[in-house]
Amino acid sequence: AQSVTQLGSHVSVSEGALVLLRCNYSSSVPPYLFWYVQYPNQGLQLLLKYTTGATLVKGINGFEAEFKKSETSFHLTKPSAHMSDAAEYFCAVSDRQGSNYKLTFGKGTLLTVNP
Amino acid sequence: DSGVTQTPKHLITATGQRVTLRCSPRSGDLSVYWYQQSLDQGLQFLIQYYNGEERAKGNILERFSAQQFPDLHSELNLSSLELGDSALYFCASRRGGSGGATGELFFGEGSRLTVL
Repeated sequence: AQSVTQLGSHVSVSEGALVLLRCNYSSSVPPYLFWYVQYPNQGLQLLLKYTTGATLVKGINGFEAEFKKSETSFHLTKPSAHMSDAAEYFCAVSDRQGSNYKLTFGKGTLLTVNP
Repeated sequence: DSGVTQTPKHLITATGQRVTLRCSPRSGDLSVYWYQQSLDQGLQFLIQYYNGEERAKGNILERFSAQQFPDLHSELNLSSLELGDSALYFCASRRGGSGGATGELFFGEGSRLTVL
């Protein structure tokens, strides 16, 4: 079964600093990988996804992530943090069984942005 | 707005009671998923329905049940509630089937259940 590990349950950065949120996965098949963001009192919103092809994927709000098969990683980055980026971020891997899918999530990383 | 609608947004009830959470998926989506989010367990997959039929089961307690109706909306029934059932319950949907699918889900805003 697939699994996801997010290193660091809480990351704190200064406004304008680099954001790096770490995600490692295990999967018995080529994975589909996702990053979701959850703002306070809201549902999960898709930031970006990797399926096939280019290993560097760009998402909304200036975020990007790189799929590294050799490292089984899919870390999320943003060059310059903004106050509005404060939220919880979840990495997920798609568990495919035939044509059916379900997502397995990591435990989440809470991002705090300090002025 | 993801297009997935969940009601109620908040629910406070007592131990031993039963509640029903409702989800309307995005227009055209055939698959509905239920997840439970709690501080200690994170996001846990509970159950999935596809076009009215149960498709996959996760960490769903026997006290919990779900169904998907012909109009594709889904309900999650939680009974004999315990304090530990207090959590945020999310519904998510996707179109379902194969053909270029990548598995991404679209989430509602959740139903926050508090058991006192």
